[in-house]
Amino acid sequence: DAKTTQPTSMDCAEGRAANLPCNHSTISGNEYVYWYRQIHSQGPQYIIHGLKNNETNEMASLIITEDRKSSTLILPHATLRDTAVYYCIVRVGSTDKLIFGTGTRLQVFP
Amino acid sequence: DAGVIQSPRHEVTEMGQEVTLRCKPISGHNSLFWYRQTMMRGLELLIYFNNNVPIDDSGMPEDRFSAKMPNASFSTLKIQPSEPRDSAVYFCASSPGTAYGYTFGSGTRLTVV
Repeated sequence: DAKTTQPTSMDCAEGRAANLPCNHSTISGNEYVYWYRQIHSQGPQYIIHGLKNNETNEMASLIITEDRKSSTLILPHATLRDTAVYYCIVRVGSTDKLIFGTGTRLQVFP
Repeated sequence: DAGVIQSPRHEVTEMGQEVTLRCKPISGHNSLFWYRQTMMRGLELLIYFNNNVPIDDSGMPEDRFSAKMPNASFSTLKIQPSEPRDSAVYFCASSPGTAYGYTFGSGTRLTVV
């Protein structure tokens, strides 16, 4: 299984962009990168996923490097409600399995 | 859509008792997943189903745990007998298939005393 490495915690000022990095140097060519977040005591929430190209939706943007060994999740204008644990996950091969790591705890401050 | 529905939200039981957790996936989703979350071990995948068939149960901790999906709209996770170390939040999630995101339920907080 491709492992991911994320910083344990990050801070971001409200209104600024939050850039959350993730390393996945052992990723295979057909493995997708997924991002989820978990706000305290709630179920994890899907944010975005991608394979090779950069992706954008109403919540965030996902930037994947050309060699696919790392990616960055961008929250363009962080709010206090974005305070959460953010998980970067590489889906296991051709299966549906998502194995969660320890994630990055993002604290957005006023 | 009501999302993934789990019941009960909270369960407190005595050691040795049987516990059954329930999940109703989103209609049309053909994959269903059971996760367990604790402070020590984080989010662990216990088992997942595809089209009501168990595909991978390698995360089920031991024989005391069992999961079923009798139809596309219902799944159960049973612990018999329960032990204090089973105390955790149990999440159910569903997905319309590969390359799509999961939708998680609100979880069941289980406390075994």
